[in-house]
Amino acid sequence: GNSVTQMEGPVTLSEEAFLTINCTYTATGYPSLFWYVQYPGEGLQLLLKATKADDKGSNKGFEATYRKETTSFHLEKGSVQVSDSAVYFCALSSSGGSYIPTFGRGTSLIVHP
Amino acid sequence: DVKVTQSSRYLVKRTGEKVFLECVQDMDHENMFWYRQDPGLGLRLIYFSYDVKMKEKGDIPEGYSVSREKKERFSLILESASTNQTSMYLCASSPPAREDTQYFGPGTRLTVL
Repeated sequence: GNSVTQMEGPVTLSEEAFLTINCTYTATGYPSLFWYVQYPGEGLQLLLKATKADDKGSNKGFEATYRKETTSFHLEKGSVQVSDSAVYFCALSSSGGSYIPTFGRGTSLIVHP
Repeated sequence: DVKVTQSSRYLVKRTGEKVFLECVQDMDHENMFWYRQDPGLGLRLIYFSYDVKMKEKGDIPEGYSVSREKKERFSLILESASTNQTSMYLCASSPPAREDTQYFGPGTRLTVL
């Protein structure tokens, strides 16, 4: 079956530090890959996505590249801000089923001034 | 902008009560989902629906039922609430394609006393 594994948190950084949150997956078919973000007290919202191998998704300074050879979709940002403090979820949606997405457990990011 | 609304942000109920959580989306999406979110467990799918009057069990359907009488509305029902159903409940909707994003509501934090 499909699965998503992401690094456990919390990840604690100082403002302007470099961020990496690792995400690896197993899936049938050709999945689309997503990063969602959940700010405190809110639902999830899409941060970025990639639909085929070697695609790079980007938004708000965050980037992730779809690596089929390593089955990974790591999230990166060059300089985090306090406002980036949130929970980040990696997810996939695969054709091997009914496109029901599979989510990782989430990684909490805390950015200190 | 896609909007997914949930009937309550916070709800407190007593053990044994019947509880209705309502979700409405305004983008004519075919798919709708109910998740619960618990610390350390991420998102777990309770039920989903891919059309009016259609429903499928997710990973943790026990103790829950759903209703989808209209395309825009998806209701989650706790037939007899129990304390272990205290959780954050998230509704989402999406078009049916593999590469499509899920759109989430703000969540309902349910406490069962």
